[in-house]
Amino acid sequence: EDKVVQSPLSLVVHEGDTVTLNCSYEVTNFRSLLWYKQEKKAPTFLFMLTSSGIEKKSGRLSSILDKKELFSILNITATQTGDSAIYLCAVKFMDSNYQLIWGAGTKLIIKP
Amino acid sequence: GAVVSQHPSWVICKSGTSVKIECRSLDFQATTMFWYRQFPKQSLMLMATSNEGSKATYEQGVEKDKFLINHASLTLSTLTVTSAHPEDSSFYICSAKQGTMNTEAFFGQGTRLTVV
Repeated sequence: EDKVVQSPLSLVVHEGDTVTLNCSYEVTNFRSLLWYKQEKKAPTFLFMLTSSGIEKKSGRLSSILDKKELFSILNITATQTGDSAIYLCAVKFMDSNYQLIWGAGTKLIIKP
Repeated sequence: GAVVSQHPSWVICKSGTSVKIECRSLDFQATTMFWYRQFPKQSLMLMATSNEGSKATYEQGVEKDKFLINHASLTLSTLTVTSAHPEDSSFYICSAKQGTMNTEAFFGQGTRLTVV
């Protein structure tokens, strides 16, 4: 059965800390892995990872994919209260441009 | 974690027909459900928010009469694409949350709609 598992489910840290969020998957015909940030409404797209070992970076956020060990991590350095959100991981199938398998999300809370 | 089941996963329909997509919360009461649409290589786009027993709140640019949303019970919401056309082909995904706005939402698996 195809599945995407995120950990931890919930995380509370203080402002300025660095956090690492995990996403592991068991999916046939893997195409790419996506990270989203969800605050109050629609999740916003962060990264799409297709190749192993190539870090994607955007400001204080970075992510990398390991297709051998079937996981990805999302790092956030020097966290700010505005980083508080649910971070979603989803995996896209090779055979389709549309279908995604979603993880349950990691709820991140940054305390001032 | 809580489970949200979306059905069907895939549907192909003829232009002009209507398609109904179901979103069920299996082990919790979903007071609020969200319907999203996703185009290739793009993020999810929120279409509407529905609260149980109330009319759905549609986002700007989403046609209410075309995308009918019903949230008649605490465990089921449906999205009906009426008189579907090829441009409605997309990936539709629901999410459900329990309680107040500060609780997290859980996503369904999504439905790929192809209109031919």
